Amino acid sequence: DSGVTQTPKHLITATGQRVTLRCSPRSGDLSVYWYQQSLDQGLQFLIQYYNGEERAKGNILERFSAQQFPDLHSELNLSSLELGDSALYFCASNRDDGEAFFGQGTRLTVV
Amino acid sequence: AQRVTQPEKLLSVFKGAPVELKCNYSYSGSPELFWYVQYSRQRLQLLLRHISRESIKGFTADLNKGETSFHLKKPFAQEEDSAMYYCALKGWQAGTALIFGKGTTLSVSS
Repeated sequence: DSGVTQTPKHLITATGQRVTLRCSPRSGDLSVYWYQQSLDQGLQFLIQYYNGEERAKGNILERFSAQQFPDLHSELNLSSLELGDSALYFCASNRDDGEAFFGQGTRLTVV
Repeated sequence: AQRVTQPEKLLSVFKGAPVELKCNYSYSGSPELFWYVQYSRQRLQLLLRHISRESIKGFTADLNKGETSFHLKKPFAQEEDSAMYYCALKGWQAGTALIFGKGTTLSVSS
């Protein structure tokens, strides 16, 4: 167990809908990273938050947004969902630029 | 731009055979390189980072700046090594995020 918790584990939703994925980092970790894993693109970095502030952006679509709350948990919001958004979404956390620990992921299926 | 290339999607070997998973990177500067492993239905775990120069589960990787490579090697593959392997770099152009290659599936059969 890495200490990073993601909920829900599985999510099935229809095109056009909006979903929220949640990540609780390891205790004491200030950084949270979101990644999308798909068969064709592999693991793509989406966005990083550090202590509540956005730190870096990767290949995140405008339909997607994230935030990190005062208790350091983070949420990734995906809206106007398309079939191509079906993927595994991982979150990772670390402290002081140390090793990144990954959660088990949320498998999103858009039908 | 920073980029990680893993040219093989799938590498199949027999138990006891040597293994080399290739990784090339593109980055101007001095990146940190990592190998992560994902066993079936499990989360990604760090296997190696180049700055530690360790050998984990018999795997080693050497950073070759001239060839911009960080290949993962093991002299004798075991069935339990079957997994997805990702090469990643951290280069300060995406915060402290890891930029991953597309991964190589290693399949070891007896």
